[in-house]
Amino acid sequence: QQQVKQSPQSLIVQKGGISIINCAYENTAFDYFPWYQQFPGKGPALLIAIRPDVSEKKEGRFTISFNKSAKQFSLHIMDSQPGDSATYFCAASRVSNFGNEKLTFGTGTRLTIIP
Amino acid sequence: EPEVTQTPSHQVTQMGQEVILRCVPISNHLYFYWYRQILGQKVEFLVSFYNNEISEKSEIFDDQFSVERPDGSNFTLKIRSTKLEDSAMYFCASSRGSVVVEQFFGPGTRLTVL
Repeated sequence: QQQVKQSPQSLIVQKGGISIINCAYENTAFDYFPWYQQFPGKGPALLIAIRPDVSEKKEGRFTISFNKSAKQFSLHIMDSQPGDSATYFCAASRVSNFGNEKLTFGTGTRLTIIP
Repeated sequence: EPEVTQTPSHQVTQMGQEVILRCVPISNHLYFYWYRQILGQKVEFLVSFYNNEISEKSEIFDDQFSVERPDGSNFTLKIRSTKLEDSAMYFCASSRGSVVVEQFFGPGTRLTVL
């Protein structure tokens, strides 16, 4: 019940296109859903996050869409650029009164943007 | 911009040896975490730490592992007797906590057990 399922495993998108990565979770207690970007040899960097009280959050070219009833959320990268080529991880956690608990990560999507 | 730092960046050790991985979380953060990532796999939670004690630990975090905040700035992960399967990237993360829930990750320590 703690799993977060992520798809696709890898994705190739042409420069300027839209990259879409999907995640699904099982634990209805999760109420914080971040996306992390990871370049080879580096730590995960927080990209954007959403709480379940909204269905969409946009920051620049990055948008999270959230469907609470379906227990799914997705990352859309508009106007994808070669510099966006990285591994993307979705994650989920529960926010308690004392701060957020452990992050449960998806399996990652290796995104490649081709010119 | 404040960031989480980790040392060393790469640690090579012999099986059975003890290693200590060090982290300096962001200064006003109160919640500290260790995660690990085996090559090519997802990031896995090891342990969380708040108010000088472990808040939660995963099944990976057995008696061979311990964490400590020896002073006001460092946060360490000790592996007492390393195994081959401990080879992974170890990431420290910190969070300010309360209403600010974002976890910020360090660059990681690559541990290689021979």
